[in-house]
Amino acid sequence: KAGVTQTPRYLIKTRGQQVTLSCSPISGHRSVSWYQQTPGQGLQFLFEYFSETQRNKGNFPGRFSGRQFSNSRSEMNVSTLELGDSALYLCASSLYRNMNTEAFFGQGTRLTVV
Amino acid sequence: SQQGEEDPQALSIQEGENATMNCSYKTSINNLQWYRQNSGRGLVHLILIRSNEREKHSGRLRVTLDTSKKSSSLLITASRAADTASYFCATDALASGSARQLTFGSGTQLTVLP
Repeated sequence: KAGVTQTPRYLIKTRGQQVTLSCSPISGHRSVSWYQQTPGQGLQFLFEYFSETQRNKGNFPGRFSGRQFSNSRSEMNVSTLELGDSALYLCASSLYRNMNTEAFFGQGTRLTVV
Repeated sequence: SQQGEEDPQALSIQEGENATMNCSYKTSINNLQWYRQNSGRGLVHLILIRSNEREKHSGRLRVTLDTSKKSSSLLITASRAADTASYFCATDALASGSARQLTFGSGTQLTVLP
């Protein structure tokens, strides 16, 4: 069974631009969450999607948004990029939304804003 | 925000020795999960321990959970050079709406010397 697939793996953007990252969860998984990892702040929760609906959102500005499609694939978008948005963005998929199920992560998208 | 802290922040041991990492958290949890990350790549899921479990084993890994002390430990026995990585604990906390949101510790950087 294929794992969580994130594309692209690396991305370089200029301040002010916008970017879209993609995540394909493990087949059959319906919950997708996004995380940002930076050296200073560590791993921080961005948002979670289940059944095409955002269920929870972390403490990030409105420039960070996302969506989930009917096949559970998810995208996140960052508009008006800032230098501080440079980070590893990780996507995790889970089988169910209920408790006590593992979250499996993709390899991440390394975003560099210049 | 970080749920808690991991201790130590860095650990260097010889191949064949055991490595113990500790994680503390602040709120009540549903479960605690341990992950490994190699050189800023994706997170690899190691083990999930539920709040009503005290100890769990998987291969060379042993995880304990003490909910009264809000702490967990990860023991890697007979370490190998390939175990060199960052290790993170993540808590899946009780939250209104039962949304999936993992809160990560700051991580322990383990170096296993050959």
